Amino acid sequence: TQLLEQSPQFLSIQEGENLTVYCNSSSVFSSLQWYRQEPGEGPVLLVTVVTGGEVKKLKRLTFQFGDARKDSSLHITAAQTGDTGLYLCAGEVTGASGSRLTFGEGTQLTVNP
Amino acid sequence: NAGVTQTPKFQVLKTGQSMTLQCAQDMNHNSMYWYRQDPGMGLRLIYYSASEGTTDKGEVPNGYNVSRLNKREFSLRLESAAPSQTSVYFCASSGLRDEKLFFGSGTQLSVL
Repeated sequence: TQLLEQSPQFLSIQEGENLTVYCNSSSVFSSLQWYRQEPGEGPVLLVTVVTGGEVKKLKRLTFQFGDARKDSSLHITAAQTGDTGLYLCAGEVTGASGSRLTFGEGTQLTVNP
Repeated sequence: NAGVTQTPKFQVLKTGQSMTLQCAQDMNHNSMYWYRQDPGMGLRLIYYSASEGTTDKGEVPNGYNVSRLNKREFSLRLESAAPSQTSVYFCASSGLRDEKLFFGSGTQLSVL
């Protein structure tokens, strides 16, 4: 059972369309990170959200952290072919034994010309 | 401007063979990690090292050993490879535990 559930698992859209990717959990996270991974490369950090309700924008990408810090979303406006990649969310859970970062299984996004 | 460097890029092993995956970072980071990535499973932590001289088990440590040779280098060893260890392996580093992770480009390992 995944601690973090990402949906959809696969998404194929046309250039110019908007899309939203979701990252959900029953656990409360002290912070949540979003990464993007291209084929043959390691993930690259896009953003970290820390505060419940926080919204961060990175050009056409909008990241939101849920009020209860259990979920997050990534919205892309007017998708471009260069947005194609695997999008991963990673939540940090802090407990008695320290913090632990857990990754979701990812959303594979394909933007077609 | 190398960041995190992993070697080799590709490796094919026979069941029972051993090998070591090498990782080095040039960002003076304290924490280093080894992950494996499998389809539909996301990234799973094998071992991590919060600082030089310390190593701890992650989510899936069985069949692996690690060595934090110095602050720069963190190696992953498979003593007796099994087909279940076929995966893509990523090394990562961060300044503090679980803050922004910098990843290497991965090692594609196949165990026949």
